[in-house]
Amino acid sequence: AQSVTQLGSHVSVSEGALVLLRCNYSSSVPPYLFWYVQYPNQGLQLLLKYTSAATLVKGINGFEAEFKKSETSFHLTKPSAHMSDAAEYFCAVSAHTGGFKTIFGAGTRLFVKA
Amino acid sequence: ETGVTQSPTHLIKTRGQQVTLRCSSQSGHNTVSWYQQALGQGPQFIFQYYREEENGRGNFPPRFSGLQFPNYSSELNVNALELDDSALYLCASSNGQGVISGNTIYFGEGSWLTVV
Repeated sequence: AQSVTQLGSHVSVSEGALVLLRCNYSSSVPPYLFWYVQYPNQGLQLLLKYTSAATLVKGINGFEAEFKKSETSFHLTKPSAHMSDAAEYFCAVSAHTGGFKTIFGAGTRLFVKA
Repeated sequence: ETGVTQSPTHLIKTRGQQVTLRCSSQSGHNTVSWYQQALGQGPQFIFQYYREEENGRGNFPPRFSGLQFPNYSSELNVNALELDDSALYLCASSNGQGVISGNTIYFGEGSWLTVV
């Protein structure tokens, strides 16, 4: 069984500050891990994914995430927040085997203050 | 733009009615999955279709059913609508070859269903 926990339903940062969105996962098999972003009234857009290659994954829009097996974490970071980063962010996990089912976390809404 | 298109974008139905939502997958993608996203929650996996066969299902009752066509487009059908079915329904496509996980899935912008 797999699950994802996103710590903090809301995160607020100032423009130019570090963004840190937390994600912990549970998986009985080596996981594939993803971060998606959802802007208001839109579908989900892939930011980055971990597929067992490099543990530090770089994505679009300056975001990156680090896979830490010992901590079962896959936190999303960005060195300097922009106003345009304000959105809902979802962490997701899927298994190597057994099908395609992707499990999403409940989401973290990021607010960026001017 | 992900190349995944969904229709209709918004609709309102009455409790007990039936609804059909449609999805055109990205060119070359043979796998389609459907998700339900209730307000303020993450997407919940409904089911997945690979080459016209359902090959994965989440924790949804049988009144949620689907189809995938030879051109890999797909439909989600929901019978006997309930108020709790009100949500954003997202379609996602990939070239997942059925049993290979971890492939990138591309989402459409969704269909907003309101049940009154």
